[in-house]
Amino acid sequence: DVKVTQSSRYLVKRTGEKVFLECVQDMDHENMFWYRQDPGLGLRLIYFSYDVKMKEKGDIPEGYSVSREKKERFSLILESASTNQTSMYLCASRPVVPGRNSPLHFGNGTRLTVT
Amino acid sequence: AQSVTQLDSHVSVSEGTPVLLRCNYSSSYSPSLFWYVQHPNKGLQLLLKYTSAATLVKGINGFEAEFKKSETSFHLTKPSAHMSDAAEYFCVVTLGPNQFYFGTGTSLTVIP
Repeated sequence: DVKVTQSSRYLVKRTGEKVFLECVQDMDHENMFWYRQDPGLGLRLIYFSYDVKMKEKGDIPEGYSVSREKKERFSLILESASTNQTSMYLCASRPVVPGRNSPLHFGNGTRLTVT
Repeated sequence: AQSVTQLDSHVSVSEGTPVLLRCNYSSSYSPSLFWYVQHPNKGLQLLLKYTSAATLVKGINGFEAEFKKSETSFHLTKPSAHMSDAAEYFCVVTLGPNQFYFGTGTSLTVIP
């Protein structure tokens, strides 16, 4: 089974802090994603990486950056955390299979609270 | 434009009775479709996927879904609900490497 591991289940940070959310997958997947999930808004894509050192902005990239130095690890960075970034953050990965739309595999999520 | 609509935000069933969670999609192309389940404070777990093979797709935990192109639907069913099925369910359509469209979710309550 694919395992996507998010390093923290719960985080509490202060406004203005720099925050790192880490995600590791063990199946050599090319694509990795960061979403945030908020009540009433569903899942929204923050950033997407299609390979090492490659990234694309999603629907809501403002206030976030990402890093993918190794294939298995995709980090989400909040340069200066704000209270409106309090949310559930979900990491996902998927393999690239020619001719097929393979599904996303999700981690268990990190619930971030910014005070 | 591509989108996915989950027709019910909340569904309640009694334990042991059938489950029906409805999903309609709009797409200009042949989509791939998925159902995911999310238990409280957990990530999304893949239940099943349709990728243009058999139109009746069987998934984990006794769930199945039928792709009906003429109705642009991909409803999720289970013959007999179990208490452990209580969760949030998401219908997802994808057309490309980073084009995943999520429904707004259906919260399933199972009454003992």
